[in-house]
Amino acid sequence: QSVLTQPPSVSAAPGQKVTISCSGSSSNIGNNYVSWYQQFPGKAPKLLISENNKRPSGIPDRFSGSKSGTSATLGITGLQTGDEADYYCGTWDRSLSVVVFGGGTKLTVL
Amino acid sequence: EVQLVESGGGLVQPGGSLRLSCVASGFTFSSCEMNWVWVRQAPGKGLEWVSYISGSGTTIYYADSVKGRFTVSRDNAKNSLFLQMNSLRAEDTSLYYCARACSSVTLAFDYWGQGSLVTVSS
Repeated sequence: QSVLTQPPSVSAAPGQKVTISCSGSSSNIGNNYVSWYQQFPGKAPKLLISENNKRPSGIPDRFSGSKSGTSATLGITGLQTGDEADYYCGTWDRSLSVVVFGGGTKLTVL
Repeated sequence: EVQLVESGGGLVQPGGSLRLSCVASGFTFSSCEMNWVWVRQAPGKGLEWVSYISGSGTTIYYADSVKGRFTVSRDNAKNSLFLQMNSLRAEDTSLYYCARACSSVTLAFDYWGQGSLVTVSS
């Protein structure tokens, strides 16, 4: 059971928008920065969003991040079949003194 | 080109030991704190954080699942990170990634290695 809760799967049609939620607590999301990662099968994770809402160089602006209270959200607009991947949120938990990841969300572009 | 290259994985019997290495190249080290983590992923499962070591090497954390069995270390002169894994169990079977965070505050892991597979089985 992950400290951060994500939906196991989400789906949407090409061109549409999807959001992936990440729910935590005051000891993690509520008081720390959230990052989001994209992982394709057989590949290493890739940083998509840092510091709640910042896109590293090279990440399209179709990807966005936000945080409110103890929850964070990854948004993807203009969905493409190439966006089909697993997505993970991550942050620091100050009570446990550990890095925590969500359980991951599998995105299907129908 | 930025690269993180892991090595040292393999098949080991329960109770055995392995030492993973991660060598970094292509970084502009002065622009980054160079904090490191080991993250593992069991087959078909999600990401599980294993260990963190700060840029100075003075701050170290472990997941409860590996505490007392795994030891993280680094050699800044060789741009290398290590994970000594002792008393290995079947549940340690995973692909182990090293990853970098430039800031200990934001903890965004911007570069990852390709992974080193550890299989614990008799």
